[in-house]
Amino acid sequence: QEQLVESGGGVVQPGRSLRLSCVASGFSFRAHPMHWVRQAPGKGLEWVAVISNDARGIYYADSVKGRFTISRDNLEDTLYLQMNSLRVDDTAIYYCARGLAAELDYWGQGTLVTVSS
Amino acid sequence: QSALTQPASVTGSPGQPITISCTGTSSDVGGYNLVSWYQQYPGQGPKLLIYGDTKQPSGVSNRFSGSKSGNTASLTISGLQAEDEAHYYCCSYAGRSTFLFGGGTKLTVL
Repeated sequence: QEQLVESGGGVVQPGRSLRLSCVASGFSFRAHPMHWVRQAPGKGLEWVAVISNDARGIYYADSVKGRFTISRDNLEDTLYLQMNSLRVDDTAIYYCARGLAAELDYWGQGTLVTVSS
Repeated sequence: QSALTQPASVTGSPGQPITISCTGTSSDVGGYNLVSWYQQYPGQGPKLLIYGDTKQPSGVSNRFSGSKSGNTASLTISGLQAEDEAHYYCCSYAGRSTFLFGGGTKLTVL
């Protein structure tokens, strides 16, 4: 059974950093690209970043480019999102999701990040 | 990059069909056969319903179908059921390995 479990969310002040993790199980993690998608409270989904299965391809949404870093550890079946220079508008539930061709076929339950002074 | 355009809400009665539209541009929806659709219940992560504009993953009810014409993709739910009440999101590949989501549509079943 494919499963993705995010962690690392919490309350952080503007300008500070936070690192999210997503542990995968039930499938071959190293075979798939992985995405981060976020959802501000009461709002829609926003794609954040994708990393290829071998970590050679990494792409970001303009809204987080230069501040967020996606990475993965294929030995530990874990996806990461390092978030620096956090802003109030980064407040959201952050989901990790497994990628296929251009669809995201399995999603975690999300972890809430609140940026507030 | 602006979000794809979806109606904020759609309402239907049990047994009726409904269609949710998703409008983009020739740089995303119209430029690739790579639109996907997701269903999300409150407090849960999204679930994949349709991929590649029209394809259905195994295990998804065949009451859900996808189509596309030009820069507008559509999700149709036939034989509406109470359990279909949820939020629905489209997503399109937008080139250079980036992706765009729609703003989401809240489906209410009367």
